Amino acid sequence: DQQVKQNSPSLSVQEGRISILNCDYTNSMFDYFLWYKKYPAEGPTFLISISSIKDKNEDGRFTVFLNKSAKHLSLHIVPSQPGDSAVYFCAAVLTSGTYKYIFGTGTRLKVLA
Amino acid sequence: KAGVTQTPRYLIKTRGQQVTLSCSPISGHRSVSWYQQTPGQGLQFLFEYFSETQRNKGNFPGRFSGRQFSNSRSEMNVSTLELGDSALYLCASSEGPGQEQFFGPGTRLTVL
Repeated sequence: DQQVKQNSPSLSVQEGRISILNCDYTNSMFDYFLWYKKYPAEGPTFLISISSIKDKNEDGRFTVFLNKSAKHLSLHIVPSQPGDSAVYFCAAVLTSGTYKYIFGTGTRLKVLA
Repeated sequence: KAGVTQTPRYLIKTRGQQVTLSCSPISGHRSVSWYQQTPGQGLQFLFEYFSETQRNKGNFPGRFSGRQFSNSRSEMNVSTLELGDSALYLCASSEGPGQEQFFGPGTRLTVL
């Protein structure tokens, strides 16, 4: 049972355009959500997070939107750059009681120069 | 601060063997989590240790086990290896449960 889903395994975007990566979840009890970026042969690195009490968080070119009613979050990258080409994982976190990070399956973003 | 380190980086084993992977967290971090990454499955949570105690365990068979030492270093063991165990095993450390996780580069395990 995949509680966090990234339904698009890959995405190609032209340099300078917007990249939108999507993530859906099933458990309404998640406390916050994170996005990680992963390059080959490296571990994931934290990108941006959002608390479940917010609906938007922005950090430079990266913005995460949370729609709690739809149990959906998205990561917007504007403008996209070739260096953004990587696999992006969303993760949901429960912090009460027995908690864990639950990751999606990842979306491979390719930014075309 | 040095990042999370994992050893070895690459490992080749045959079916039926056992393997031990090591993870050294960032200095001061007391929580260590382990994940398995396979194509199409994303990151699957294995277990989490905090102060030498296993706090959480994912849905993996008992062949997968781990431990944490008093210096917060952690080891993960897989016994009776199967072909399906071939994966990238990632370790992440954090200051404590629920805190931001920092990942190591992973150990690429290939089971032949």
